[in-house]
Amino acid sequence: KQEVTQIPAALSVPEGENLVLNCSFTDSAIYNLQWFRQDPGKGLTSLLLIQSSQREQTSGRLNASLDKSSGRSTLYIAASQPGDSATYLCAVMDSSYKLIFGSGTRLLVRP
Amino acid sequence: DTEVTQTPKHLVMGMTNKKSLKCEQHMGHRAMYWYKQKAKKPPELMFVYSYEKLSINESVPSRFSPECPNSSLLNLHLHALQPEDSALYLCASSPRGEGPTEAFFGQGTRLTVV
Repeated sequence: KQEVTQIPAALSVPEGENLVLNCSFTDSAIYNLQWFRQDPGKGLTSLLLIQSSQREQTSGRLNASLDKSSGRSTLYIAASQPGDSATYLCAVMDSSYKLIFGSGTRLLVRP
Repeated sequence: DTEVTQTPKHLVMGMTNKKSLKCEQHMGHRAMYWYKQKAKKPPELMFVYSYEKLSINESVPSRFSPECPNSSLLNLHLHALQPEDSALYLCASSPRGEGPTEAFFGQGTRLTVV
């Protein structure tokens, strides 16, 4: 059974810092990996999608990497801003289109 | 348009009520999902529909009954719920087949069972 783990569970950083969020998964037979952002009480916003054949994706200050063989992904946020404060979730999709989430990292960027 | 629309945004229902949650997307996605999310927890998969057919049921109690009337709509019918069913219910959709399978989520329905 696929298990997805995210570390750290929570992170507090001063504005301007570069930071890395980690995601690991137990079954490497994934179709893709997706990073989401969730603000309190809201839905999920898709940040980056990495297909299983890809190694990384970039969008603005965000960069996500995927190492399928080792079951790991990282989300790199450059020059963090208070508006980046949210919960970040990674999710893996398997061949049956099941999307399984990690427990998330709660990020606070202090002004 | 990458929007998934869920209605209602908030719902309060008694344990003997029957209500329905609605989800709509017009992206041509042929996979649609229902998730349940409790406070400070990640979303938990409930159901997956693929080409309008139920493909995955994660052992969800029968008081939750999904329905996919067409490729754009997904409903979740609720009956005889318990207070512990109070949660944020999220709908999502994604493409099927070849190519990127990016999933998009709605803003959710906040359900309170009293």
